[in-house]
Amino acid sequence: DAGVIQSPRHEVTEMGQEVTLRCKPISGHDYLFWYRQTMMRGLELLIYFNNNVPIDDSGMPEDRFSAKMPNASFSTLKIQPSEPRDSAVYFCASSFSGGGTEAFFGQGTRLTVV
Amino acid sequence: AQSVTQPDIHITVSEGASLELRCNYSYGATPYLFWYVQSPGQGLQLLLKYFSGDTLVQGIKGFEAEFKRSQSSFNLRKPSVHWSDAAEYFCAVGRSTGTASKLTFGTGTRLQVTL
Repeated sequence: DAGVIQSPRHEVTEMGQEVTLRCKPISGHDYLFWYRQTMMRGLELLIYFNNNVPIDDSGMPEDRFSAKMPNASFSTLKIQPSEPRDSAVYFCASSFSGGGTEAFFGQGTRLTVV
Repeated sequence: AQSVTQPDIHITVSEGASLELRCNYSYGATPYLFWYVQSPGQGLQLLLKYFSGDTLVQGIKGFEAEFKRSQSSFNLRKPSVHWSDAAEYFCAVGRSTGTASKLTFGTGTRLQVTL
């Protein structure tokens, strides 16, 4: 398996623009997580899905952020409108259900909002 | 709520020296514990994990960690560090109910290796 695939790897956008980050989880995994990494806040969980259903979105910072998982092999994280403080590295991770299974992380998308 | 503390922000060791990275956690039940490594510009790679059983767990790249319930600690060790080990290391705790993959991370320890 190719692992968790995220695209794009880098994104530079202007403030106010819509940004869409994409993730393809490992085939067969039924959990998908979106994390954000910043210098100030470290790694924080934004939202996670189980069997394509959002389970906990309490980490989503504002209504400007939304995430979807239309099928088992694809998820998006959208920011609309984007702001400079959204600049961060966004990671997608997936895992298989069952106690004690670890999450596998993608390479991340480095977002810069200017 | 679960939390993780990595008290050392930055550590420098000489190549060939031993290494210990500290991790303390707070969790109401038996935790699932993980150590991940992140190289610059890369994602997170799992080094090792503890779920139950033997409190000394072996991981990849010669790393090991010991779970000490009495101290709420899960310190990472390596007997002899290689220059390629320079990276950032994250300790994380997962829930023992539901999905253990819902992780709370520590702030990370950046390891520098001098030749």
